[in-house]
Amino acid sequence: ETGVTQTPRHLVMGMTNKKSLKCEQHLGHNAMYWYKQSAKKPLELMFVYNFKEQTENNSVPSRFSPECPNSSHLFLHLHTLQPEDSALYLCASSQVGRENTQYFGPGTRLTVL
Amino acid sequence: GENVEQHPSTLSVQEGDSAVIKCTYSDSASNYFPWYKQELGKRPQLIIDIRSNVGEKKDQRIAVTLNKTAKHFSLHITETQPEDSAVYFCAASTASGGSYIPTFGRGTSLIVHP
Repeated sequence: ETGVTQTPRHLVMGMTNKKSLKCEQHLGHNAMYWYKQSAKKPLELMFVYNFKEQTENNSVPSRFSPECPNSSHLFLHLHTLQPEDSALYLCASSQVGRENTQYFGPGTRLTVL
Repeated sequence: GENVEQHPSTLSVQEGDSAVIKCTYSDSASNYFPWYKQELGKRPQLIIDIRSNVGEKKDQRIAVTLNKTAKHFSLHITETQPEDSAVYFCAASTASGGSYIPTFGRGTSLIVHP
């Protein structure tokens, strides 16, 4: 599927592991976002990048480290996570200065053991 | 910051009935209000949006109304069908650094019984 892709789709990791989530958008957008979606909670915005520059960090713990090497790629590096970090992690993109619609990727289902 | 309340959390209707989902927001600077539909195991997808200079917008069986004075907006689905069953999220967005940063409601699980 084109648009916004995410890999891996499922990830199981131990609390001492280091892993990375990858997001790629093929829409020519210049803003990218990471969201956390937990059961029975609203979508939580984690990070925003505009033109590769981080513009929002919603008090996210340092065990989550984002990286945006260019406007098409976004990573979320994970280190020493906790079981309560288990959730669906969604990436989204949008076009700054034009339409406001966010296009979501399929998400990565993360389980921390 | 912005706070968005969404009600009800669950809505069960018979096929052909109408469904209404309501959201309130707190930040008067919010000026863009999208609605997303998320089917089970799938990504959220935009179904309709409204900007603060418009009071109502309609797209076939879906309509959204906005009352800026009261800070509330609603999603209306008419002639519901089983394929409308999903979780619906409202959001209120405020411009920040050239982008629109959304705050989402908790979601409404809509169940349409055939």
